[in-house]
Parts: sequence; structure tokens; C-alpha cells
Amino acid sequence: NAGVTQTPKFRILKIGQSMTLQCAQDMNHNYMYWYRQDPGMGLKLIYYSVGAGITDKGEVPNGYNVSRSTTEDFPLRLELAAPSQTSVYFCASRLLRDTEAFFGQGTRLTVV
Amino acid sequence: QKEVEQNSGPLSVPEGAIASLNCTYSDRGSQSFFWYRQYSGKSPELIMSIYSNGDKEDGRFTAQLNKASQYVSLLIRDSQPSDSATYLCAVNRPSMDSNYQLIWGAGTKLIIKP
Repeated sequence: NAGVTQTPKFRILKIGQSMTLQCAQDMNHNYMYWYRQDPGMGLKLIYYSVGAGITDKGEVPNGYNVSRSTTEDFPLRLELAAPSQTSVYFCASRLLRDTEAFFGQGTRLTVV
Repeated sequence: QKEVEQNSGPLSVPEGAIASLNCTYSDRGSQSFFWYRQYSGKSPELIMSIYSNGDKEDGRFTAQLNKASQYVSLLIRDSQPSDSATYLCAVNRPSMDSNYQLIWGAGTKLIIKP
């Protein structure tokens, strides 16, 4: 099992560009999450999904979009990148609503 | 008031001593609790989960949960320099859509001094 896989690991974007951060899990988990973590700060929830076809906003969704067409994949789309989106992005998944979450390796994004 | 509070540290502990990390939470409906370790530049990794009041031990780690007082703690015995990291407390609380949300503390930075 690969667990949770995120691509790319690093990316530099120019202001106004768009990109998709990929996240895939092979554990058949129902719940998937996108977080961002700014230096020295905690995790902030961007979007989450409780199953294929179902997504919902977290606490910081502005500037992002997600989709969940399959159980395995949960891509995060950044439209019109802004410097405020410079951060480390983590994807996580868990099997049930009260079990532990497993994280991908993270994507370090810089917007210049 | 934050939903999950941790002392940001840094907490400095001599090698071989016991490190004690604390976390308080505000929602009494919270059901499950997790401790994660995060090394600098890496992703969080699960150390312990605890669901019931009392202590849960796993090797050098002990998680303690007191739902009445709304706190959860992590003890690390025989601390090693490799334990130096930021420790994140996560609390699973009910959300309005009948699911549960993981609420994260900001983390406590632990430094083990040789």
C-alpha cells in the first residue's frame, strides 16, 4: 500500500496562474481532506469529502476548488494564484468519521 | 477561545527524562482524540489514538484522557533526541452535518537536550 500520495512535492507559481494538486489514496478510505499549513502554524481545513461525489467547504475555502469523482482521488484546484496561497498543502484520508487520519507527504507551493 | 489549545513551547526536556504534553478542548461532545508528531518539513504522523477515559500505553508513549476536565495529554518516557519535533493534538468533534470534524491544535514544539 502506498497510502496517501500527493503530487507534486514542490511547485512555484506566478501570480494569476492556476494549478491542480493531486491526491490519491489506496486504502479505500471514505473521508478525505485538504489542509494548508503556514510556517509555525497549525493545520487549516480547506475542503473535505465524505465520499465520492460529496464535498464541502472547510474554514479557508476561498480561492480553491475540489472534486471527488472516485473514492481514490481528491484533487485540489487553485484558480488565479495569489501570494497568500504560498503554503504547504497536505492531503489526508481516514476510513471512518471517528478514526485516525493518514497524511500525504505534502506539497510546498510558492506563489511569486 | 480556540477549540483545541496547546502550549506552543518550546518545551525543553533533558534526554532520558519524561516529556509531558498537554491539550485542552472545548466541545464536550468530542469522542476521539489523537496525537501526531511532525518533524520539520514533514507531514504529521500518528503516534497515539485514545477513545476512552484513562491511560493508554504504547511503548514509551502514554496518552491520558479526562473527558470531565476536557483535556488529553501525552507522556513520553525516556525521551530521546529523535523525539524532538512538534506534537499536534487533534480532537474529533461532532459537526452540524452529522459527521465529525478533526480539530487541530497549533502544536507544541518539543526539544530533547542530549
